[in-house]
Amino acid sequence: QSALTQPASVSGSPGQSITISCTGTSSDVGAYDLVSWYQQHPGKAPKLIISEVNKRPSGVSSRFSAYKSGNTAYLTISGLQAEDEADYFCCSGVGVGTYVFGSGTKVSVV
Amino acid sequence: QAQLVQSGAEAKSPGASVKISCTASGYNFLLHGITWVRQAPGEGLEWIGWISTYTGRTYYGQGLQGRVSMTTDKSTNTVYMYLGSLRSEDTAVYYCARENGGYGDYDVWGQGSLITVSS
Repeated sequence: QSALTQPASVSGSPGQSITISCTGTSSDVGAYDLVSWYQQHPGKAPKLIISEVNKRPSGVSSRFSAYKSGNTAYLTISGLQAEDEADYFCCSGVGVGTYVFGSGTKVSVV
Repeated sequence: QAQLVQSGAEAKSPGASVKISCTASGYNFLLHGITWVRQAPGEGLEWIGWISTYTGRTYYGQGLQGRVSMTTDKSTNTVYMYLGSLRSEDTAVYYCARENGGYGDYDVWGQGSLITVSS
């Protein structure tokens, strides 16, 4: 199972909005509403920020939102802040009980 | 609060095997499956597999099929991951994570275990 495709990097200025794409196929992203998103700061474990395509866990900032269209999922960060600088990974179901991560996107706040 | 604590870093030779533990606390262990994820240095996340802490049922990704296995010990709230026939490409930080709702939503993560494979 190949990794889902994400842009290697995305940058934005403080206060701006950015969107990260996560492209899969009709066998993974397009087939299941099982897309989640994770934020990872250097040297830290990943943190769940979106589950089931667009659900935000308790305690996660409302500046994070997400949706899916066809075989591509999207994560938007609004009102970009310095603390948002991190790596972001999508994850999708690909079959019974199995999942695959995206290639990862480095977000820079410039 | 819910917490996962993993075993420490290990250095292994090519061809050897490794067993990593993941001990849960602060929640009902039997209600959440555990997923294993690894991250090679400077690389992305790789989904390894999942185990039901209640039934012991497992699902493995294609990448490590045949070399990986997972077990659970209800008496100690611990999940184990075994990886055999180690190669240099297996050098990575290995994470265990709790699946919250059963939808690939990993809401609690261990601190990671660095496994280094080198001759």
